Amino acid sequence: DAGVIQSPRHEVTEMGQEVTLRCKPISGHDYLFWYRQTMMRGLELLIYFNNNVPIDDSGMPEDRFSAKMPNASFSTLKIQPSEPRDSAVYFCASSYRSTNTGELFFGEGSRLTVL
Amino acid sequence: GQQVMQIPQYQHVQEGEDFTTYCNSSTTLSNIQWYKQRPGGHPVFLIQLVKSGEVKKQKRLTFQFGEAKKNSSLHITATQTTDVGTYFCAGPGYGNKLVFGAGTILRVKS
Repeated sequence: DAGVIQSPRHEVTEMGQEVTLRCKPISGHDYLFWYRQTMMRGLELLIYFNNNVPIDDSGMPEDRFSAKMPNASFSTLKIQPSEPRDSAVYFCASSYRSTNTGELFFGEGSRLTVL
Repeated sequence: GQQVMQIPQYQHVQEGEDFTTYCNSSTTLSNIQWYKQRPGGHPVFLIQLVKSGEVKKQKRLTFQFGEAKKNSSLHITATQTTDVGTYFCAGPGYGNKLVFGAGTILRVKS
């Protein structure tokens, strides 16, 4: 398997623009997670899905952030409008079991810079 | 909510020296996971500990889970330059969420 695939790897955009990050989890994994990593706040869980259904989005910073998982092999994280404080590395991860028992497989991340 | 504290934040060692990072939880953990993130890379799973007092080894890495299942440690014997990176512990929090510690950054001088 190719692992968790994320795109784009790098994105530079201007404040106010819409940003869409994409993720393809490992086939057969029922759980998908979106994390954000910054120097100040470390790794933060934004939202996770189980069988394509959003289970917990309490980590989503505000209404500018939204995530979808239309099918088992694709998820998006959208920021609209983007702000400079959204600059971070966004990781998608998948797992074939719940986080209480299973390891997370991370994608290579999408580095977002908002000017 | 449940928190996972990691110390030290940063350690710079001479190649060949040992390194240890510690992880402490405010609550009892059903298990604890360790991840390594190379500079510019993504977190990669190393190991999961489940049993009280468990000790596991991976070559020069030794992982321990405390008797009370509230703390854990990762010890690297005779560090090498390939060990550089950030080491994270993570434990399950409320509602299936994995809570990551802040990580320990390891730098190795050759």
